[in-house]
Amino acid sequence: GAVVSQHPSWVICKSGTSVKIECRSLDFQATTMFWYRQFPKQSLMLMATSNEGSKATYEQGVEKDKFLINHASLTLSTLTVTSAHPEDSSFYICSSTSGGANEKLFFGSGTQLSVL
Amino acid sequence: DAKTTQPPSMDCAEGRAANLPCNHSTISGNEYVYWYRQIHSQGPQYIIHGLKNNETNEMASLIITEDRKSSTLILPHATLRDTAVYYCIVRRIQGAQKLVFGQGTRLTINP
Repeated sequence: GAVVSQHPSWVICKSGTSVKIECRSLDFQATTMFWYRQFPKQSLMLMATSNEGSKATYEQGVEKDKFLINHASLTLSTLTVTSAHPEDSSFYICSSTSGGANEKLFFGSGTQLSVL
Repeated sequence: DAKTTQPPSMDCAEGRAANLPCNHSTISGNEYVYWYRQIHSQGPQYIIHGLKNNETNEMASLIITEDRKSSTLILPHATLRDTAVYYCIVRRIQGAQKLVFGQGTRLTINP
């Protein structure tokens, strides 16, 4: 199946710094990327949807200025957590689709962010 | 998107079939039933999806009732590595539609 590569797998940073997470589609063109966040023992929560070459659409309650999403190419999307705080510590997961009917969504392996 | 209801947890003996139920009574005609699973600290893994006919692949079988209001995911010979949280999701097929996750079923395979 299609592969979505997500880096880094884990990151530890100091409060106030910014962290960038990358998500690449390796064998297909990802017209749409979804970014999720997951807290311990909870389900995945959709943060935002991005389409290549356009601005991301954020879910209600997600700060767009804090979670910057860039989807400049059909194979790469990035999520930057700006001025991270301990409450931003979470498991971040990207998901990609090439679009079209009846398609599957494929997920990255996730990034565990710990903010000290 | 229609909402799904799953039992929070289930146990199954290794080597036996694991049958995971899902209710989606408000499903629309253009919504598929998708199943994903998530092993601890990993991204969700696609298992199977279907519209109204039963489906089978190398991982599992999906049985959808005739009225499409419920479905069952069957892992025919469960192994310890099948221990995971299983998510049943309904999703429209037009365009690049997002997946909205519920709480899923935590399946534990016991030796």
